[in-house]
Amino acid sequence: ELKVEQNPLFLSMQEGKNYTIYCNYSTTSDRLYWYRQDPGKSLESLFVLLSNGAVKQEGRLMASLDTKARLSTLHITAAVHDLSATYFCAALYSGTYKYIFGTGTRLKVLA
Amino acid sequence: DTEVTQTPKHLVMGMTNKKSLKCEQHMGHRAMYWYKQKAKKPPELMFVYSYEKLSINESVPSRFSPECPNSSLLNLHLHALQPEDSALYLCASSQARANYGYTFGSGTRLTVV
Repeated sequence: ELKVEQNPLFLSMQEGKNYTIYCNYSTTSDRLYWYRQDPGKSLESLFVLLSNGAVKQEGRLMASLDTKARLSTLHITAAVHDLSATYFCAALYSGTYKYIFGTGTRLKVLA
Repeated sequence: DTEVTQTPKHLVMGMTNKKSLKCEQHMGHRAMYWYKQKAKKPPELMFVYSYEKLSINESVPSRFSPECPNSSLLNLHLHALQPEDSALYLCASSQARANYGYTFGSGTRLTVV
């Protein structure tokens, strides 16, 4: 069974600092997504990572995938307050339609 | 049209009521999903429809009844719910086999009183 874990669960950081969120998954998966969710809102797609070594960047966020280590990272560069949200990774359960979501990381960027 | 539209956005219902949540997409996606999300938790899959046929039911109680009338519409019929069913209900759609992820709707915030 595919399990997805994220750490940290909570992250409070100062503006201008860098940090990384980690997403580990337990079995083979060939698709990894990152989503952002603001309080009370739906999920906004950030990145899809399709292959080993894939790297995607958008603004201050950069995501990468290492399928051999079963690890994806979301790196935040020079954080700003607007990045405060909950971030989820989700791995596709191979051969199914199911994306299994990680536990989520609640990020708070302090001014 | 690249959206998934959910109605209503908010719903308050009593434990003896019957109500329905609606979801619509016009992206030609052939898979549609219902997820339930409790506060501060990740979304949990409830149902998957593929080509208008129910393909996954994640052991959801029978007080939740999904329906897929056609390839663009997905309903979730609610009956005799419990207060613990209060949550954000998210609809999503995807291309076949979900290789490029889901498109989520804005959700229905359900409160059972």
